Amino acid sequence: GENVEQHPSTLSVQEGDSAVIKCTYSDSASNYFPWYKQELGKGPQLIIDIRSNVGEKKDQRIAVTLNKTAKHFSLHITETQPEDSAVYFCAAANFGNEKLTFGTGTRLTIIP
Amino acid sequence: GAVVSQHPSRVICKSGTSVKIECRSLDFQATTMFWYRQFPKQSLMLMATSNEGSKATYEQGVEKDKFLINHASLTLSTLTVTSAHPEDSSFYICSAWRNTEAFFGQGTRLTVV
Repeated sequence: GENVEQHPSTLSVQEGDSAVIKCTYSDSASNYFPWYKQELGKGPQLIIDIRSNVGEKKDQRIAVTLNKTAKHFSLHITETQPEDSAVYFCAAANFGNEKLTFGTGTRLTIIP
Repeated sequence: GAVVSQHPSRVICKSGTSVKIECRSLDFQATTMFWYRQFPKQSLMLMATSNEGSKATYEQGVEKDKFLINHASLTLSTLTVTSAHPEDSSFYICSAWRNTEAFFGQGTRLTVV
């Protein structure tokens, strides 16, 4: 089955600086790569996703890049703000079975 | 607003009792729903796939007789934790796909005392 690794496990960034979180996956059949933000005691919220036919996607301060050959994808948050502090999970799935495999999570702390 | 609604948000039960958690898709039909479990400071682990009108599919290592899943309608799946024990204490989250996006419920914090 799919295996997703995520690094780093914790990340502290000065407010206004950029944060980068990286993930690798193992199953070449995976074609959907979402990123979720989870706040304490709540379910995950989708912040951005990318499909395997695209190499990069951007939505305001958030961007995701995908390297299919190397099987890795990354989340980039620019101009970080205190409200960006949360746990972030990457995931991989194949649209055929809709099963999401999650990375181990990154606790992001934005230092004011 | 919420696309997937989960209830209750938190529950405390005594060891040996059963607890039912509901997951509803709002404004759309979901023939398949997914149940995840998340222990503190850990990732979400898929427990089972709930299929409307048929038996659920359980991931390896998940006891189907302990975690009963019923998907009786196109908008409702239930997870019943039977004979709960303290080690079942966890955060349970359901999910359903609408179009090409997965939506998650707000989660249920189960504490077994």
